[in-house]
This record gives sequence, structure tokens and C-alpha cells, in this order.
Amino acid sequence: QLQLQESGPGLVKPSETLSLTCTVSGGSISSSSYYWGWIRQPPGKGLEWIGSIYYSGSTYYNPSLKSRVTISVDTSKNQFSLKLSSVTAADTAVYYCARQWLMNWFDPWGQGTLVTVSS
Amino acid sequence: EIVMTQSPATLSVSPGERATLSCRASQSVSSNLAWYQQKPGQAPRLLIYGASTRATGIPARFSGSGSGTEFTLTISSLQSEDFAVYYCQQYNNWPTFGPGTKVDIK
Repeated sequence: QLQLQESGPGLVKPSETLSLTCTVSGGSISSSSYYWGWIRQPPGKGLEWIGSIYYSGSTYYNPSLKSRVTISVDTSKNQFSLKLSSVTAADTAVYYCARQWLMNWFDPWGQGTLVTVSS
Repeated sequence: EIVMTQSPATLSVSPGERATLSCRASQSVSSNLAWYQQKPGQAPRLLIYGASTRATGIPARFSGSGSGTEFTLTISSLQSEDFAVYYCQQYNNWPTFGPGTKVDIK
């Protein structure tokens, strides 16, 4: 059974870079059928897709975040990572990683990790 | 950007009753629509994709319909574990989510 687990700092200072990693277990990140995505959810609010990556390294991003986002993949470790630069309090959210069926729906999701932006 | 809207924002339903949730897209997304269920403190769970196909392990009381810009998620007989927030998501373009409908106990 495929599982995803987010990891990284829970507190980031304003203007710094948020960095998270998603570790995939129970399956290969190198499957040709899937992208791997990041989605976030501010406290008490809805879901926002950040971006996704294919095992080859091909990416696509939310246009509203594109200038600050970098997603990368490490197939040897079965991991993919998110970097979000120049963060502000508005970036405080639970960050989820998920498997994305080609460029379609997301299933399954990781449990999520809360990242707070504060000095 | 394709903007998704959902109605109502909150739906109060008694256990055993039918719940009908609506999702609308600002432009046609064909059948490229998914529904998710999210309970407090948990990650979203995929219920429906392709507008009407149940995901693996999803009970038959959940059904989806619609195409183009208008979609519906129906829960035929609400069970206690179904009280949650439901989101729709289109993937005809880069993914966007609706704001959610909270289904609570009447």
C-alpha cells in the first residue's frame, strides 16, 4: 500500500525559504503513470495546489506561486521536495504531498505537516 | 484559472437522509472533476474521479454526476462517518479546488 510522508521544519522565518520533503514508500516514484504533487491548506481554509513533478523531472506549477516554487525529485531515495522562497505569514499552512494520477486527481495523500511562518 | 464554486457552504442533514452537494466550474471542464472528503485533522480522501467513478473502497452510497460546468455529489443515506467537508477539484487545466461544503448533523 502506497504511503507518503512529509518532513521538514515546522517553523520558518519571514523572507526565508520553506523546504519540505515527501518520502514515498510501498511503491516506486519512477512509475510512468503518476505525477507527484504538493497541495497546501491554510488553517481553517480550503485547498490550494502548489505544483507537481514527474519522475523525469518535468514540472508544472500554480501560476500564482510559480515565481517562488521549486519542486525536485530524487528517484534514488524515492523522494520529492518542495522549496518555497520569500515566505510570509500568508504561507502558513498544512502542506500535503500526494500522488497525482498523470495530471489529474490526487490519491493517496500524506498526513500533512503544519508549517508556520513567524519570526 | 478555472474557478470552482460549491453550494451550499454548509448542509445540515440528519443521519439516514440524502445529501446533495453542488459544484460549478467557471468554464467547461468536461468530466475532469474529482470529489474529496476531509475530516478534521485528516488529509483529504479521494471519493470520485472522472465526475462519476468511485475510487477504490468508496461505498456505493456516494455517487457523482454532471459534466461541463455543473456537478453533483450525492450521498444517498448519510452515515455518522460521512459528516465532513467535501471538496471538488477540476483537472481540465492546472488543478483548482472548490471552497468546500461542510456536511454537519442536523
